[in-house]
Amino acid sequence: AQTVTQSQPEMSVQEAETVTLSCTYDTSESDYYLFWYKQPPSRQMILVIRQEAYKQQNATENRFSVNFQKAAKSFSLKISDSQLGDAAMYFCAYRSASGATNKLIFGTGTLLAVQP
Amino acid sequence: DAGVIQSPRHEVTEMGQEVTLRCKPISGHNSLFWYRQTMMRGLELLIYFNNNVPIDDSGMPEDRFSAKMPNASFSTLKIQPSEPRDSAVYFCASSAPGQGIGQPQHFGDGTRLSIL
Repeated sequence: AQTVTQSQPEMSVQEAETVTLSCTYDTSESDYYLFWYKQPPSRQMILVIRQEAYKQQNATENRFSVNFQKAAKSFSLKISDSQLGDAAMYFCAYRSASGATNKLIFGTGTLLAVQP
Repeated sequence: DAGVIQSPRHEVTEMGQEVTLRCKPISGHNSLFWYRQTMMRGLELLIYFNNNVPIDDSGMPEDRFSAKMPNASFSTLKIQPSEPRDSAVYFCASSAPGQGIGQPQHFGDGTRLSIL
């Protein structure tokens, strides 16, 4: 069974600085998708960024980028120029591409605080 | 475009009562997911539907939980009888066709359920 691990329960960053959130996963599959979701205090789950495992190029969305290391099964999220609105819980998630299932497997989350 | 719509946003009821949570997926999406979020267990998939058919209900905790999707634009999650340990935030999510290209799941705002 696949698992997703986020080893940092909490992180803190100064406004305008850069922070990296860690995520590792375990799978025997070769093709899959990885996602980062943001959950602010409003409790919405907002998609931040996604990565296809077969693509070597790291995904980027404005100030958000990932460092995808397939061999190491690592998928970290980098937030550049942190803003107060980035404060939230961040979840890493895995989804198989096999077509047998469409379910997301989530990590336990990292609570990010942004200090002014 | 309207996102995933869940109702009610909050529900407080006494144990033993029947609880019905409702979800309207994004128009055109053919997969619908019900998740439960608690501090202890994080985000767990309860059940998901593809084209209105339940595909994986292995996460449904017990017979007190049931889910239906009578048509492409509506789903319900019912708990009968409810117990205090069912208190959680319940999310509904939907995704568009196109499993092979990693369609992301779009989440509703969740229903915060409190069973007294």
